[in-house]
Amino acid sequence: EPEVTQTPSHQVTQMGQEVILRCVPISNHLYFYWYRQILGQKVEFLVSFYNNEISEKSEIFDDQFSVERPDGSNFTLKIRSTKLEDSAMYFCASSGLALSYEQYFGPGTRLTVT
Amino acid sequence: GENVEQHPSTLSVQEGDSAVIKCTYSDSASNYFPWYKQELGKRPQLIIDIRSNVGEKKDQRIAVTLNKTAKHFSLHITETQPEDSAVYFCAASENSGYALNFGKGTSLLVTP
Repeated sequence: EPEVTQTPSHQVTQMGQEVILRCVPISNHLYFYWYRQILGQKVEFLVSFYNNEISEKSEIFDDQFSVERPDGSNFTLKIRSTKLEDSAMYFCASSGLALSYEQYFGPGTRLTVT
Repeated sequence: GENVEQHPSTLSVQEGDSAVIKCTYSDSASNYFPWYKQELGKRPQLIIDIRSNVGEKKDQRIAVTLNKTAKHFSLHITETQPEDSAVYFCAASENSGYALNFGKGTSLLVTP
């Protein structure tokens, strides 16, 4: 069964550094999402992406964040200048056709900012 | 924006008993309500979902009910097994392709 994949599984970075988190959504899916989960807390929506543009974003997704689909398979989240409070598990998700509601999550990237 | 409340935050049951987790939502535009199971250190996995045109949906030992008038929905697990132990999250969404707004999760422990 196809799955969303993410790399790396764990990323450690220093405060102020840029990081790029990578995702490969399920191949025929059209909608892509990033969520984050701070340890022990709920999953929070960051951004959704459709037809090569952002379709929705939360208050968390400020100017420090950007997303890109650089080719036909990858979907990336960039944090320009990381802060300590960016430490979290970042999940990529994808969903299929226009009337497909189900979102399938990747295994996550644990980002630790020191 | 949408606010999803989930109760209880922890739930401990004996194997074979039933477990019920309840969620309420605030935005009447929400019409899709999935439930995710998350084991420690793993991805959230979709276990069942319901749309607003349906009041109840069942899949083997798992069922979800929805009351749109009261804006609440519930997850029911019957004949619980130790492998059901995990954190369960409810969520609400307005439409396909839209954000999932999650509840804070319920940590379910099923003891043998």
